[in-house]
Amino acid sequence: GIQVEQSPPDLILQEGANSTLRCNFSDSVNNLQWFHQNPWGQLINLFYIPSGTKQNGRLSATTVATERYSLLYISSSQTTDSGVYFCAVALYNFNKFYFGSGTKLNVKP
Amino acid sequence: DADVTQTPRNRITKTGKRIMLECSQTKGHDRMYWYRQDPGLGLQLIYYSFDVKDINKGEISDGYSVSRQAQAKFSLSLESAIPNQTALYFCATSEAGLAGPTDTQYFGPGTRLTVL
Repeated sequence: GIQVEQSPPDLILQEGANSTLRCNFSDSVNNLQWFHQNPWGQLINLFYIPSGTKQNGRLSATTVATERYSLLYISSSQTTDSGVYFCAVALYNFNKFYFGSGTKLNVKP
Repeated sequence: DADVTQTPRNRITKTGKRIMLECSQTKGHDRMYWYRQDPGLGLQLIYYSFDVKDINKGEISDGYSVSRQAQAKFSLSLESAIPNQTALYFCATSEAGLAGPTDTQYFGPGTRLTVL
């Protein structure tokens, strides 16, 4: 199966700081999603972004499909941004998702 | 009301017991999935279903079985639970695409299962 690598594995920020999370994948994909898992375990969709750039408030994401990576930007971080951020990809003509191991973010007040 | 619901939310059971986790969705999606998350790790696919008559094994299907009772319902069973099946279990749905999952996956709230 496809390999999905996320970096960094852990990140500690002071409230108000900006950060960039990275997702590398080993094959061409037709679906890439970013999720946030909050401290209570709930998974929230952030972006569906197989290519290009999207923005939603303080969050934005960019996927460069030809170079097999995606970036998630968090600006002006807040304590509520804490949790684990997962990248998940699906291959063309394959009907299942592969998840990275996540980036654990801790935003301190 | 939540679009994807899971019951129970928490369950503690003993080794050897049969356990069923249930998932219901009101999104009208054809595709449903069961994932397992171990502490500190990402999600691994257990089973997935594209419609009521189409069920497929994922990466870690050993020790699990599923039933797709209707478009809206997808159940996961542990026939004889063992301690290393202690994990957080998620159900998810997505819309069918022409060439694979081309849309967002929507996750249920998760079931925290502990096998003693």
